[in-house]
This record gives sequence, structure tokens and C-alpha cells, in this order.
Amino acid sequence: ETGVTQSPTHLIKTRGQQVTLRCSSQSGHNTVSWYQQALGQGPQFIFQYYREEENGRGNFPPRFSGLQFPNYSSELNVNALELDDSALYLCASSLVPLTGELFFGEGSRLTVL
Amino acid sequence: KQEVTQIPAALSVPEGENLVLNCSFTDSAIYNLQWFRQDPGKGLTSLLLIQSSQREQTSGRLNASLDKSSGRSTLYIAASQPGDSATYLCAVVSTGGGADGLTFGKGTHLIIQP
Repeated sequence: ETGVTQSPTHLIKTRGQQVTLRCSSQSGHNTVSWYQQALGQGPQFIFQYYREEENGRGNFPPRFSGLQFPNYSSELNVNALELDDSALYLCASSLVPLTGELFFGEGSRLTVL
Repeated sequence: KQEVTQIPAALSVPEGENLVLNCSFTDSAIYNLQWFRQDPGKGLTSLLLIQSSQREQTSGRLNASLDKSSGRSTLYIAASQPGDSATYLCAVVSTGGGADGLTFGKGTHLIIQP
């Protein structure tokens, strides 16, 4: 059984640029959620996708957007990058939304200069 | 709005001790509570999931309890080992309408001294 995989593992961008982060969910999982973790903080919920539809969103501006594909993999897109977007971005998948156990990938470390 | 607090923020104990990490949440309307472990710069590893109807879960040397009415959970680690050194995070899924994802605490940074 393949776990959650994320790419890239590290990347550096400059202010104003755009970034796309990718996530492959664990086999059989149809729910994917994204989290942002700043240094020394707990992860913050960005949004969740269930069967290709966004079904929940945290307190993040519209320049954070996402997609889920028919194979349940997902992308997180961030436009107009700001310095405060520097963080570890974590993807998690689960068998079912809300009550399912979440399994996380290793994350993508984004640095914005 | 759900808030999760973890106490203590940091803990250092000698190897072999039993220890308890605490987690509290402000809104008892939850689906479940999950404990995670995070090594520096890494992703989260799921340790235990407790559904709202359950009181506790056990896995090896770990035991997690849930008292939903008082908004508290504890993670008990028996016979601690240096390999247990990590940050431990608890998180809840609230039932308050829509899919709000997990709400995390800031974690307890645990160091087990050899």
C-alpha cells in the first residue's frame, strides 16, 4: 500500500510568483486535505476535497486554490506569493471525510524570498 | 470557533519514565480526536484516532483517552525511549457544520534523555 506522497520536497520562490504543489493520496482514499504549518506552530487547515469537489475551506484567501483529479491526487496552487506564505505545506488523505483517520505526507517546504 | 491547547509546550524526561501529555479543546461537538507525532522538518505520523463515542485507544506503549464532555484528552507513553523524542500534536474534527478539517494544537516538544 503506497502512502501519501508530495512533490516537490523543497522549493524557493520570490514574492509575486505562483507555485503548484502536488499530492498523491494513499491508495483507496478519496478525500484529500491541505494544511499550512509555519515554524513552531500547529498545522492550519486550508481546504479539503472529496471526490473532486471542494467541501470545506479554512481561513485562507482566494489566492490559495486547489484541484482534485479523478485518481484522487490533488494540487495546491498559491498565486501572488507573499513572504508569510513560507511554510511547510502538508497533504493528508483519508478513506472518508470528517470521521476518517488522516494520513499525512512528508510535506513541501516553501521558502518565499 | 474551536481552539486546541496542549500542555506542556515542552517536556524533558529521563529514559524509562512514564509520561502524560495533555490536550484540551473548547468545543465538545467533535467527530473525533487524533494524536500525531512529528519529527523535525517531517510530516505527521498518525498515532491514535479516538472517535467521539469512544473513551480510549491503545497502541503498544501508547494509550490515549478522551473525555468529550470536559474537552480533554491525554496521551500516556509508557517506558519512554530516546526514539520517542519528537513533537506530539493533537487535533480534533468539529461537527459545527461543513468540513472544517482538523484543528490542531501547537504541540508538545518531547525530549527523552538517554
